[in-house]
Amino acid sequence: DIQMTQSPSSLSASVGDRVTITCRASQSVTSYSNWYQQKPGKAPKLLIYAASSLQSGVPSRFSGSGSGTDFTLTISSLQPEDFATYYCQQSYSPPYTFGQGTKLEIK
Amino acid sequence: QVTLRESGPALVKPTQTLTLTCTFSGFSLNTSGMCVSWIRQPPGKALEWLARIDWDDDKYYSTSLMTRLTISKDTSKNQVVLTMTNMDPVDTGTYYCARIRAAAGASSDSWGQGTLVTVSS
Repeated sequence: DIQMTQSPSSLSASVGDRVTITCRASQSVTSYSNWYQQKPGKAPKLLIYAASSLQSGVPSRFSGSGSGTDFTLTISSLQPEDFATYYCQQSYSPPYTFGQGTKLEIK
Repeated sequence: QVTLRESGPALVKPTQTLTLTCTFSGFSLNTSGMCVSWIRQPPGKALEWLARIDWDDDKYYSTSLMTRLTISKDTSKNQVVLTMTNMDPVDTGTYYCARIRAAAGASSDSWGQGTLVTVSS
């Protein structure tokens, strides 16, 4: 199985900050990397697919980059509604493993 | 509008078999490139991918759980069923179904609200 390792596991930031979360795959997944946001008690929501494509309806302050084994999710200017847990996922080869999550908290 | 809804028992006993149904609308599993997956999440923990079924009936499973899982579809009812045998308390968690679109990098772009399953005697 392909392992996905996220860092950091938690992060404190303020409204307006620029935030970056990284994800490393244990082997190349080309551009088959996705990012999800999950709020407490809710289902995950797709933000970024295929490494850098913004899902319809997702604000443009979210962006993704990377290829091969290293991927990044960036939030350009944090908004109050962005405090949540974020997961990366590889969809290159089943099983489609997730990272362990990054909890983004208010500083 | 794409919607998915999970249904099944809220409580199962250890060693029992869990059967969950995902009922969806807004897309067809007869359409090339469409797939449905199951993902679970123990309380306070990370997401865990379980299984996927494709429009052409190809199936894929979690490596660690594949001996216990079976995924199937009924396209006439727009349903996908997941069975998990020999349930254990560590299987307690919220179970989600989600649509996968091959054209969108095989990402899960629509999710059900999830159903909480508790394994306890």
